[in-house]
Amino acid sequence: TQLLEQSPQFLSIQEGENLTVYCNSSSVFSSLQWYRQEPGEGPVLLVTVVTGGEVKKLKRLTFQFGDARKDSSLHITAAQPGDTGLYLCAGVGLGGYSTLTFGKGTMLLVSP
Amino acid sequence: NAGVTQTPKFRVLKTGQSMTLLCAQDMNHEYMYWYRQDPGMGLRLIHYSVGEGTTAKGEVPDGYNVSRLKKQNFLLGLESAAPSQTSVYFCASSLDRFNQPQHFGDGTRLSIL
Repeated sequence: TQLLEQSPQFLSIQEGENLTVYCNSSSVFSSLQWYRQEPGEGPVLLVTVVTGGEVKKLKRLTFQFGDARKDSSLHITAAQPGDTGLYLCAGVGLGGYSTLTFGKGTMLLVSP
Repeated sequence: NAGVTQTPKFRVLKTGQSMTLLCAQDMNHEYMYWYRQDPGMGLRLIHYSVGEGTTAKGEVPDGYNVSRLKKQNFLLGLESAAPSQTSVYFCASSLDRFNQPQHFGDGTRLSIL
């Protein structure tokens, strides 16, 4: 079983602050996905990273896949209350034939 | 633009009762999944299907059964509900591979008393 560990588990910040969420594993993944889940709803995909070292930007969110494809990070610049939610990383093992493994998530609360 | 629809949204059961959760998707996806989400445990895969008529066990399959008689529907059954099955259940689908984006329903909140 491939495990994904996310840190921190919970983060409470003020509007305008920057933050970074980490997703780490001892296993290599063929690709890694980031989802955001709001209360009472299902997770929604934010981005997929595939290549080691890849950086993708989605407005104020920057996603990076580690060179060895074992870890990833999500950086949010100037956080806003609308960024509040549970951020989940999920990875698929090499070959793409294993099911998606989810981390336990980082709960982000951005206060005005 | 429905996507993935789960019914019911909420349910309270007594220990030993049975029920079926229904998931329907209108995106013509081949792969479908059932997860449970518990505090501090993240999303755990119960069962999945890679096409009509196929099912397979995930990480936590005990106490659950599934069926995929039609491509657009994936049913999750609890034959004899136990308090440990109190959880939020999510259905998801993806086009035709495990590493493709998954589209989730809004969940079914199930309490077993």
